[in-house]
Amino acid sequence: GDSVTQMEGPVTLSEEAFLTINCTYTATGYPSLFWYVQYPGEGLQLLLKATKADDKGSNKGFEATYRKETTSFHLEKGSVQVSDSAVYFCALSSPKGRRALTFGSGTRLQVQP
Amino acid sequence: SQTIHQWPATLVQPVGSPLSLECTVEGTSNPNLYWYRQAAGRGLQLLFYSVGIGQISSEVPQNLSASRPQDRQFILSSKKLLLSDSGFYLCAWSPDRAMNTEAFFGQGTRLTVV
Repeated sequence: GDSVTQMEGPVTLSEEAFLTINCTYTATGYPSLFWYVQYPGEGLQLLLKATKADDKGSNKGFEATYRKETTSFHLEKGSVQVSDSAVYFCALSSPKGRRALTFGSGTRLQVQP
Repeated sequence: SQTIHQWPATLVQPVGSPLSLECTVEGTSNPNLYWYRQAAGRGLQLLFYSVGIGQISSEVPQNLSASRPQDRQFILSSKKLLLSDSGFYLCAWSPDRAMNTEAFFGQGTRLTVV
């Protein structure tokens, strides 16, 4: 079945450091890929998405590129801020599977001033 | 625009008591609806999803049930809560008949069973 694997956290960085959170997936067919962000005590917000191979999703300085050959969708940001501290979830939606998203286990990011 | 409402935001219930969490969506018709649970420090577990009124699919056997009495209303229930039912419950929706698309989440309900 479909699955998403994320790097374990927490990831602790200093402000203005470069961020990478790794995400790889297994899916039937050609899935769409997503990154969600969850701030403390809140629901999940869609951060960015990509619907086909080589697409790059971007939002708020975050980027991720859909790499079909490596089945990956790594999240990157060039310069993190304290306000980026949150839990980040990688997810996929498969055209041949169930309608619900399949999520990774989440990665907690802590940015220190 | 579409909005999703989920309530209550927090709930403390004794073991053995009933549960009812409600979720409603506005601004769309016949959405796909989902209930997820997030245990402390863990990822998201899909509990139920629904593609239409009265159509519920259960992902895992458990102490919970779901109902969809109206097009844009999704209810999560339990007759007798267990300590292990504690967690953060999230309702979500995605567009009608859409595959391969994102879901939109409510703000969640933090349930503590004591």
